[in-house]
Amino acid sequence: NAGVTQTPKFQVLKTGQSMTLQCAQDMNHNSMYWYRQDPGMGLRLIYYSASEGTTDKGEVPNGYNVSRLNKREFSLRLESAAPSQTSVYFCASSETSNYGYTFGSGTRLTVV
Amino acid sequence: QKEVEQNSGPLSVPEGAIASLNCTYSDRVSQSFFWYRQYSGKSPELIMSIYSNGDKEDGRFTAQLNKASQYVSLLIRDSQPSDSATYLCAVVPSGGYQKVTFGTGTKLQVIP
Repeated sequence: NAGVTQTPKFQVLKTGQSMTLQCAQDMNHNSMYWYRQDPGMGLRLIYYSASEGTTDKGEVPNGYNVSRLNKREFSLRLESAAPSQTSVYFCASSETSNYGYTFGSGTRLTVV
Repeated sequence: QKEVEQNSGPLSVPEGAIASLNCTYSDRVSQSFFWYRQYSGKSPELIMSIYSNGDKEDGRFTAQLNKASQYVSLLIRDSQPSDSATYLCAVVPSGGYQKVTFGTGTKLQVIP
């Protein structure tokens, strides 16, 4: 089925460990996004990629890095995980934001 | 002041009633507005978009936009228990389409 695929769905990390969250879309969208969702905070933009080859910081980029590998794939890396990064992470894509986003199923990350 | 504000709820309505969900925003020149539905433990799903003042209807859903008063609302007619979810308002501000701002969501409970 067409859509946005995120892996893994669940992950537990120890403080200081690193990991990469993978995201791929098959809708030929230009723009891709990484959000985190925390209770009471709503969805907050971490990084986005307006088009292949470009990435920009969002509202909460500290502690994260991203790579737009090609038009389909946009990965999020935590270099040294901290308990404050415990959250649900969503990848999304859009042709432009004027058409709204399609979200992946999310990654539930716990840092202990 | 938050950029996009929603009452967190829960908003409880009986089955068959009209549910009214409201959202206010601070950026006066915002151009695009979206409603997403998020079931517990799931990812947000786009259900409505609206760009011009007035009403836009899609099935049981009606989005209403009043740019002068800076609010957007979502009406759900003939509410069903399956409509029980959190509804997120999203606004594209003047800063660019990559900087979509989400409200924290209103939890709707439809009582059978």
